[in-house]
Amino acid sequence: DTGVSQDPRHKITKRGQNVTFRCDPISEHNRLYWYRQTLGQGPEFLTYFQNEAQLEKSRLLSDRFSAERPKGSFSTLEIQRTEQGDSAMYLCASSPRWTSGNQETQYFGPGTRLLVL
Amino acid sequence: AQSVTQLDSHVSVSEGTPVLLRCNYSSSYSPSLFWYVQHPNKGLQLLLKYTSAATLVKGINGFEAEFKKSETSFHLTKPSAHMSDAAEYFCVVTPYGNQFYFGTGTSLTVIP
Repeated sequence: DTGVSQDPRHKITKRGQNVTFRCDPISEHNRLYWYRQTLGQGPEFLTYFQNEAQLEKSRLLSDRFSAERPKGSFSTLEIQRTEQGDSAMYLCASSPRWTSGNQETQYFGPGTRLLVL
Repeated sequence: AQSVTQLDSHVSVSEGTPVLLRCNYSSSYSPSLFWYVQHPNKGLQLLLKYTSAATLVKGINGFEAEFKKSETSFHLTKPSAHMSDAAEYFCVVTPYGNQFYFGTGTSLTVIP
């Protein structure tokens, strides 16, 4: 399967601990996105990368959150000092190179479900 | 500012009857619009997208949507519901092709 993959699929942690999630985009997709989805809501944009450059960050991405994409391939999302309010599904998506006049589709991974106790 | 309003949080239909899921959008630019479906414990799957070509867009599994600029709407329809259509549906607007703005979702129940 050559879709977007995320690891782990589930994570349970205690409040105050740090967690890191990984996303592997579709090969040769140069854009990568992170979203957060809470129960009963649609996904909310967190940040996106074009190659290794982080081009946009939502105000939802507090100082405790950091994302990287060091080689322009996979990406990691780290949450430091987790809080119960961080419990959510974290989704990753990728899209191919954007061409003028053609908005590219985002292809989503299965998500990482985080529960902070 | 960009936003999406899905007018119904829950829709129930009988198997074999038409489906209508309503979406209104607000965008400062000529947007692209998408419908995604999310089955339980599965990732978001693209149903269809509008990118300023034909206003009637056909997608997978018999779904289609019509872009109406005057009404700022992008409603999703299907002539005949199937049990496998039961899922959460999201309408999405993107003005630039990077950040997606999702609606809050419509849960579709199909009654046998």
